[in-house]
This record gives sequence, C-alpha cells and structure tokens, in this order.
Amino acid sequence: SAVISQKPSRDICQRGTSLTIQCQVDSQVTMMFWYRQQPGQSLTLIATANQGSEATYESGFVIDKFPISRPNLTFSTLTVSNLSPEDSSIYLCSVDSGVSSYEQYFGPGTRLTVT
Amino acid sequence: AQSVAQPEDQVNVAEGNPLTVKCTYSVSGNPYLFWYVQYPNRGLQFLLKYITGDNLVKGSYGFEAEFNKSQTSFHLKKPSALVSDSALYFCAVRDQGKLIFGQGTELSVKP
Repeated sequence: SAVISQKPSRDICQRGTSLTIQCQVDSQVTMMFWYRQQPGQSLTLIATANQGSEATYESGFVIDKFPISRPNLTFSTLTVSNLSPEDSSIYLCSVDSGVSSYEQYFGPGTRLTVT
Repeated sequence: AQSVAQPEDQVNVAEGNPLTVKCTYSVSGNPYLFWYVQYPNRGLQFLLKYITGDNLVKGSYGFEAEFNKSQTSFHLKKPSALVSDSALYFCAVRDQGKLIFGQGTELSVKP
C-alpha cells in the first residue's frame, strides 16, 4: 500500500490568511483526492487532482477558495484561502490503491483551526 | 446518486461480545463498498471491501462484512470485540472514482 505523508499535521491560522497543505506519496499515482472532515462530521470530497491538468472540484467547492497544484505524480498541494472559522476542519489527501483495487489510502490529515 | 447510510451514531459493546456496525447503501448498478476506521488523531485506515464474489468479506484486525443485496446492506462485524477496537467507523461507496462516505459510527468497547 502507498505511504502518504502530509504537512503540516496541524496549524492554527488567523482569519483572512491562507494555509497550504502538502501531500507526498511514496509511489507514482495518477489521481490524488482531497477531502474535508468538519468537526464531528463525515468526509466530503473537495476535488480530484490529476497530474498535468486542472483539478476537478465537487459541488460547493471552488478553485478560488481551494486552489490545488499537482506538479508531478507523487505530490500535490491544497491551499485553503481567505480563512474563516468555518474552515476549521481536518483535511486529508488520498490516492487510489492501484488498478482494479478500488480502495483509497489516506494520509494522516492536517488539522486546521481558524481563530 | 450513490449513497450510504449508517443509522447508528454510536454503538456500545462489552469486550468479548460480538459487534455489528450497520451500513445500508443506495446505488445504481453494482456497488463497490468499503469500510474504514479512524482512530483519534489519525487518518483513515482501510479495513475491507466488497467488489464482487463472495458475500462475506474478511478484512484487517479480524473484521468481516456481509454484503446483502436484497436488504441493500453491508454491515461490519467482529465475533469478539476488543477495547482497542474503539474508534470511528465509516462505510463508503465508490462513485466514478471517488468515495462517498456515510456519517460515521462511533464504536465504544468497554472492558
């Protein structure tokens, strides 16, 4: 299974600022996914990031608020812009396990608190 | 649209007793179903999946799940619960490459 790391593991940010979260995978993967888990809630997909193309955003999420980069097959960043307290969540990246396996493997998550 | 539902926010079990965490699904076509576990301050860990074949699937840490097409259910089970099984459990369905998660069930196993 892929080993996924995220930086930072947690951060406290002020309202109006931005936070960029890094996701690193130990193997090359086609698609990377970014999820949000609000306090006490389930996971919601923000966007899917393919290398070399624009990310695909889910309904309710926009590129201006959550810009994503995917410069190569092992790395992606998610920026959460113009932070408000409602952005306080855990942000997780994930990757597909491989062709015909269908499950996804998740990073440890980044816990963001906005004050 | 594909969806899964976990009807119980919390399940309480005594150590050594069998446990069941419930999940029902609503999909068009054949469902690809998954169970994940989230321990405090950690990411999600994959437990098991149903894609096709045998209705009883076995996974990590002694967990298993039974796919029931007529009841559209995919309940997670374990014959004998451990205190260390206490965690948040998510059922999920795959839809066009992405995972759609249920709301989660908090499992508490008491000694």
